[in-house]
Amino acid sequence: AQKITQTQPGMFVQEKEAVTLDCTYDTSDQSYGLFWYKQPSSGEMIFLIYQGSYDEQNATEGRYSLNFQKARKSANLVISASQLGDSAMYFCAMSGEAAGNKLTFGGGTRVLVKP
Amino acid sequence: NAGVTQTPKFQVLKTGQSMTLQCAQDMNHNSMYWYRQDPGMGLRLIYYSASEGTTDKGEVPNGYNVSRLNKREFSLRLESAAPSQTSVYFCASSGTGGLNEKLFFGSGTQLSVL
Repeated sequence: AQKITQTQPGMFVQEKEAVTLDCTYDTSDQSYGLFWYKQPSSGEMIFLIYQGSYDEQNATEGRYSLNFQKARKSANLVISASQLGDSAMYFCAMSGEAAGNKLTFGGGTRVLVKP
Repeated sequence: NAGVTQTPKFQVLKTGQSMTLQCAQDMNHNSMYWYRQDPGMGLRLIYYSASEGTTDKGEVPNGYNVSRLNKREFSLRLESAAPSQTSVYFCASSGTGGLNEKLFFGSGTQLSVL
């Protein structure tokens, strides 16, 4: 079974600084995908970034980048130049062949950006 | 652009009552999902439907039933609601359910069972 662990329940970050959100995963699949979603206080789930297990380069989407370390089974999200609107819950998730490509989510990390 | 639409947005039930959560997507997606989110926790899969006419259990299916009415609609039914089913419910869809496919989520239904 695949498992996602987010060890940081909450964190503060100063506006304009970078923040790294930790995510480790466990799977026996060779082929899998890693996702990050943002959930603002309004409640909707917003897709941020995706990394495939065979992708050699780290994924980037604007201010978001995924620090993928396959040997360590980690997929940390880096948000650069934090903005007040980045205050939200962030969820790491993975898909894998053994689970029929269905997403398994971590417990989330709450980020609060301070002005 | 509607995307994934869930109704209702809020619901309060008494223990033992039944209700159906409705979900519809207009993106011609094959795969649809129901997740629940409990306070301080991530999303857990209740049921999913890989294609029209098929449904399968997820991680936490007990107490729920689903119907994939057609390609667009996937409903979740609570036959006899229990306080443990107090949660936020999300419907989601994806094109073919492939490994690299992101999910598109509805806005959620906040359900309280008293």
